[in-house]
Amino acid sequence: EVQLVESGGGLVQPGGSLRLSCAASGFSFGSYWMHWVRQTPDMGLVSVSRVNPDGGVTHYADSVTGRFSISRDNAKNTLFLQMNSLRAEDTGVYFCAKVYGSAWIDSWGQGTLVIVSS
Amino acid sequence: DIQMTQSPSTLSASVGDRVSFTCRASQSVHSWVAWYQQKPGKAPTLLIHSASNLESGVPSRFGGSGFGTEFTLTISSLQPDDFATYYCLQYSTWTFGQGTKVEVK
Repeated sequence: EVQLVESGGGLVQPGGSLRLSCAASGFSFGSYWMHWVRQTPDMGLVSVSRVNPDGGVTHYADSVTGRFSISRDNAKNTLFLQMNSLRAEDTGVYFCAKVYGSAWIDSWGQGTLVIVSS
Repeated sequence: DIQMTQSPSTLSASVGDRVSFTCRASQSVHSWVAWYQQKPGKAPTLLIHSASNLESGVPSRFGGSGFGTEFTLTISSLQPDDFATYYCLQYSTWTFGQGTKVEVK
């Protein structure tokens, strides 16, 4: 059974940093694209970043380019999202998500809440 | 970016009703569309992929159709467990629709 468990969320001041982690199990982690998807009341679901199986190809939403960095440790079955220069609009629930092949998202973690506020 | 416009944003219905809602893409996404169900406080779960393929384990009352720019999710007979919010996703360039909330009439 696929399991994705996020951690690292919390309350941070504007301009601060957080590092999210996603521990994966139940599948061959190093063989799949992975996403970080943010959910907010205003913007709904947005894929903020994705990374290919070997970590060499990454994509970012325009709103986080230059501030967020996605990475993965395939030896430890873990996905990361380094978030710097955080803004109030980065507040939301961040889901780690697994892609089927190079196609649709087929599994989601339970999410971790990030609140950016002074 | 390809935009996905879902309608309606809210749908009021009763148990046993047949309900449908749509996603329109701002340009063709072929059949690269998935549908998800989300309940409050939970992660989304996959219902349909490739526009019309039912994910394993999903009840057969759920069905998807469409190609190109217009896609539909249909629930043939609404069950109590189906009151939730539904999202489409186009995985050509990875954008989600804004969601359709199915509520009790």
